[in-house]
Amino acid sequence: QKEVEQNSGPLSVPEGAIASLNCTYSDRVSQSFFWYRQYSGKSPELIMSIYSNGDKEDGRFTAQLNKASQYVSLLIRDSQPSDSATYLCAVNTGTASKLTFGTGTRLQVTL
Amino acid sequence: DAGVTQSPTHLIKTRGQQVTLRCSPISGHKSVSWYQQVLGQGPQFIFQYYEKEERGRGNFPDRFSARQFPNYSSELNVNALLLGDSALYLCASSRTVADTQYFGPGTRLTVL
Repeated sequence: QKEVEQNSGPLSVPEGAIASLNCTYSDRVSQSFFWYRQYSGKSPELIMSIYSNGDKEDGRFTAQLNKASQYVSLLIRDSQPSDSATYLCAVNTGTASKLTFGTGTRLQVTL
Repeated sequence: DAGVTQSPTHLIKTRGQQVTLRCSPISGHKSVSWYQQVLGQGPQFIFQYYEKEERGRGNFPDRFSARQFPNYSSELNVNALLLGDSALYLCASSRTVADTQYFGPGTRLTVL
């Protein structure tokens, strides 16, 4: 079992719709969770961080964490073509500060 | 404030050669981490340094080494390059060991 799992996609959503990206992790002691956006040929850019169960909202983005189910998700409301990118889920156990990444989900927002 | 900077942007080497990649963290950040990202995969952790000391090492061979300088900048060295070392090498900085990491633009290494 991979430490952090994501559906590789592509996930295709029409402009203006809600995109839902999902991630599961295997280490129960994981404490910090991050979503990074990566455009083709570029480096990862931090979108959201979340540390406790529940929802965290920032503009059009909402991160959701359920530690009991070892599940973290990212919702993007009013999706725009500029949101088309690969979204990386990353987990930090806290005991060591390395980030463990999933393989990423490629999102395509269509006109 | 300036973000994380990395040099060079691109690099082409041949098998068996050695390479040095450089990273300058965000001002005020004392921790630097290195990641390798091959095409189609998420970044893989190589090293973390904090206050010039190694604080973590990923599952990479001894051909990979790194160091951090008193000004918190860092170098990643890779010896005896293999074709499989071709990747995007990412540097991330954070205030301390456990804080949020911010990535630089990366160095694209191609080994021929």
